[in-house]
Amino acid sequence: GQQVMQIPQYQHVQEGEDFTTYCNSSTTLSNIQWYKQRPGGHPVFLIQLVKSGEVKKQKRLTFQFGEAKKNSSLHITATQTTDVGTYFCVEASGSARQLTFGSGTQLTVLP
Amino acid sequence: GAGVSQSPRYKVAKRGQDVALRCDPISGHVSLFWYQQALGQGPEFLTYFQNEAQLDKSGLPSDRFFAERPEGSVSTLKIQRTQQEDSAVYLCASSFSGGGNIQYFGAGTRLSVL
Repeated sequence: GQQVMQIPQYQHVQEGEDFTTYCNSSTTLSNIQWYKQRPGGHPVFLIQLVKSGEVKKQKRLTFQFGEAKKNSSLHITATQTTDVGTYFCVEASGSARQLTFGSGTQLTVLP
Repeated sequence: GAGVSQSPRYKVAKRGQDVALRCDPISGHVSLFWYQQALGQGPEFLTYFQNEAQLDKSGLPSDRFFAERPEGSVSTLKIQRTQQEDSAVYLCASSFSGGGNIQYFGAGTRLSVL
């Protein structure tokens, strides 16, 4: 099946530094959702992008959907320790609109 | 309740035992999904219900896995004759409708098969 790859797999940053994770697909995506999963926790919805070239912001988080709808990125400005977790890009697809998760980027923020 | 509730939170089973995992979705949510998350991996789709109808079970790894939602609310995922490779976190999610809407996840059940 379709795979959505994310890079990097792991990222360690000092608190206050910026962080970016990239999501790439070999095929056109109908939509992209981003979820965050804290260590030991469950995935929590952050945002959904549908339109080509779409950019959405949530406080320190900026989400982009590529013009060709084959890639997406999440940028966090001035990371905080509360940003720790794994960030997944996700496509809702299939007959059931089930979620297909990317490989995830595990973010560690050092105080 | 306010969120998706799953029980038990932890389950230890001996290889060959049957287990049943329960999911209580958000009230009024029509769609219910089960996912399996292995350690260090992203969740993978198992099956989907719309009300009481199981519309997609393409992700169930074998015929030892069975899910039901008889009254369109609470769902149970049953695993028969558990194997070590079944060890994972089993996540349940619900949404108001299945049309690409936001899915709300429960805390999951961590299954360890010894």
